[in-house]
Amino acid sequence: AQSVTQLDSQVPVFEEAPVELRCNYSSSVSVYLFWYVQYPNQGLQLLLKYLSGSTLVESINGFEAEFNKSQTSFHLRKPSVHISDTAEYFCAVSDNTDKLIFGTGTRLQVFP
Amino acid sequence: GAGVSQSPSNKVTEKGKDVELRCDPISGHTALYWYRQSLGQGLEFLIYFQGNSAPDKSGLPSDRFSAERTGGSVSTLTIQRTQQEDSAVYLCASSLVAGSGYTFGSGTRLTVV
Repeated sequence: AQSVTQLDSQVPVFEEAPVELRCNYSSSVSVYLFWYVQYPNQGLQLLLKYLSGSTLVESINGFEAEFNKSQTSFHLRKPSVHISDTAEYFCAVSDNTDKLIFGTGTRLQVFP
Repeated sequence: GAGVSQSPSNKVTEKGKDVELRCDPISGHTALYWYRQSLGQGLEFLIYFQGNSAPDKSGLPSDRFSAERTGGSVSTLTIQRTQQEDSAVYLCASSLVAGSGYTFGSGTRLTVV
């Protein structure tokens, strides 16, 4: 069975500092990997995804994630965060059934 | 429609009552999913509809929960004899093809008092 582990429930960081949100998964088959973001009082939005090809994927707002098969990880990074990046971030994995299994989420809190 | 629409946005119900939550997916999306988000927890998969195939009900927590999807479009999640532990945000999502990622609705916040 698939599972996703987000070890950090909260990550506090100052504005303009770099950040890494960790995600590890377990699966016995090839996977698709996703990061979703939930801003305060809003629904979940797809941030980025890995389906195949280049292991480094980027979002339009400066986040990137790298698929590391040997370490079964898909960590999310941003070199310089903004106040507006404060949100809950969810990592998710699916196999070819298209059912997503989500992690428990990481709350990123950016301080001025 | 332009997005996934869920109604009501908020629902307060008394313990023991039945509730129905509605989801209207993006037009043309063949796959529809229900998840539950409880405070301090992640998203818990409930049920998955794909086209005309039998739904994947493996995530439904008890037989008080059921869902249907009529005409391959609108879906209704029904919770019978609600309990306080059913209080959560119920999220619906749809997708066009496998692996493309979901589009989520804004959810229904259910409070059982």
